[in-house]
Amino acid sequence: GAVVSQHPSRVICKSGTSVKIECRSLDFQATTMFWYRQFPKQSLMLMATSNEGSKATYEQGVEKDKFLINHASLTLSTLTVTSAHPEDSSFYICSAPLRSAGTSAYNEQFFGPGTRLTVL
Amino acid sequence: AQSVTQLDSQVPVFEEAPVELRCNYSSSVSVYLFWYVQYPNQGLQLLLKYLSGSTLVKGINGFEAEFNKSQTSFHLRKPSVHISDTAEYFCAVSRGSSNTGKLIFGQGTTLQVKP
Repeated sequence: GAVVSQHPSRVICKSGTSVKIECRSLDFQATTMFWYRQFPKQSLMLMATSNEGSKATYEQGVEKDKFLINHASLTLSTLTVTSAHPEDSSFYICSAPLRSAGTSAYNEQFFGPGTRLTVL
Repeated sequence: AQSVTQLDSQVPVFEEAPVELRCNYSSSVSVYLFWYVQYPNQGLQLLLKYLSGSTLVKGINGFEAEFNKSQTSFHLRKPSVHISDTAEYFCAVSRGSSNTGKLIFGQGTTLQVKP
């Protein structure tokens, strides 16, 4: 099946620094990618939709200036957590949907392995 | 608004016993439903999905689920579990009336398989 990778898998940073997380679709092109956030023992919450060649769209309550998203190519989306604080510590997961041939619908999507961010 | 409720936060079960993980959804439009499994510190893996057609959906690793529109449920079942099935399981619905790729997840159910 299709593969989505994330880098790094784990990052620890000091409060006030910025952290960049990469999400790559390894064997297919993804014009859209999604970024989710998962708190410990909780469900995934959609943060934003990353669109290749245009601005990302953010879910209600997500600060676009704090979580910068860049979809630089058809296989790469990056999430930058700017001026990170301890409350930003979380597990960040990206996904890339695979469009069904000849349709506009997504038949399936593939999730990256996640990035665990710890802000001290 | 659409929502997903997983009725059990934890389900302990002995190896080789059957299991059912319950999922109910709320939606005023057509639904596309999914079950994902998450192993510790890993991303999500698709177990099965309901897009249309037969209400009984078979997935990987011996799992199956049944879409019940009248009861707004999509329960996940396996007739005989293995230790390796111990993981977190998420039920999800595609947001909106089409398969947009945007998912609304339930709270998750921890399946604990005991020897």
